[in-house]
Amino acid sequence: SQKIEQNSEALNIQEGKTATLTCNYTNYSPAYLQWYRQDPGRGPVFLLLIRENEKEKRKERLKVTFDTTLKQSLFHITASQPADSATYLCALVVNAGKSTFGDGTTLTVKP
Amino acid sequence: EAQVTQNPRYLITVTGKKLTVTCSQNMNHEYMSWYRQDPGLGLRQIYYSMNVEVTDKGDVPEGYKVSRKEKRNFPLILESPSPNQTSLYFCASSFQRGAGDTQYFGPGTRLTVL
Repeated sequence: SQKIEQNSEALNIQEGKTATLTCNYTNYSPAYLQWYRQDPGRGPVFLLLIRENEKEKRKERLKVTFDTTLKQSLFHITASQPADSATYLCALVVNAGKSTFGDGTTLTVKP
Repeated sequence: EAQVTQNPRYLITVTGKKLTVTCSQNMNHEYMSWYRQDPGLGLRQIYYSMNVEVTDKGDVPEGYKVSRKEKRNFPLILESPSPNQTSLYFCASSFQRGAGDTQYFGPGTRLTVL
């Protein structure tokens, strides 16, 4: 069966460190993989998209990698700040219409 | 301001009483989608629409209906709500490439069915 797993429900790190979040999937062949940020009581906000033929994408302090052989994406936040504390969701897009999200990882950055 | 709006934001209703949750976007987006979010189950897609008059099922369409008569609106209809439809609902839209494009999410509608 198809499954998306994001590493541990919660991740706690110290300010200034790099946060690494994992998204693993099975039985999908996604065309795209996206990462979103969600704050409590609010809708998800798009952060980064990476295509199946891309290995890495960067945006400011954010970096995402995509390994279609391992069926895994890693999402990195460098020089993390307390304001980065939120839930981060990965989403697989297999075709233009359907989008499947992981459960999310809640990141807490402590001062 | 470019945005996706949903109404109502909060709704408490009773089993069997038909309801509609509206979704509107002002960005001229072709793609729109509905999701529900439940603890431990994440965000699950209910229905999506690639364009006007074109809709298709997501992963959890049972008990829901949608229509796309105009580009900007994508209402979610619960003909006979049941308690297992108690959830947080999000509408989203994107420009052209469907779910492979940046999806802009609405603020959410928290629905309780008693």
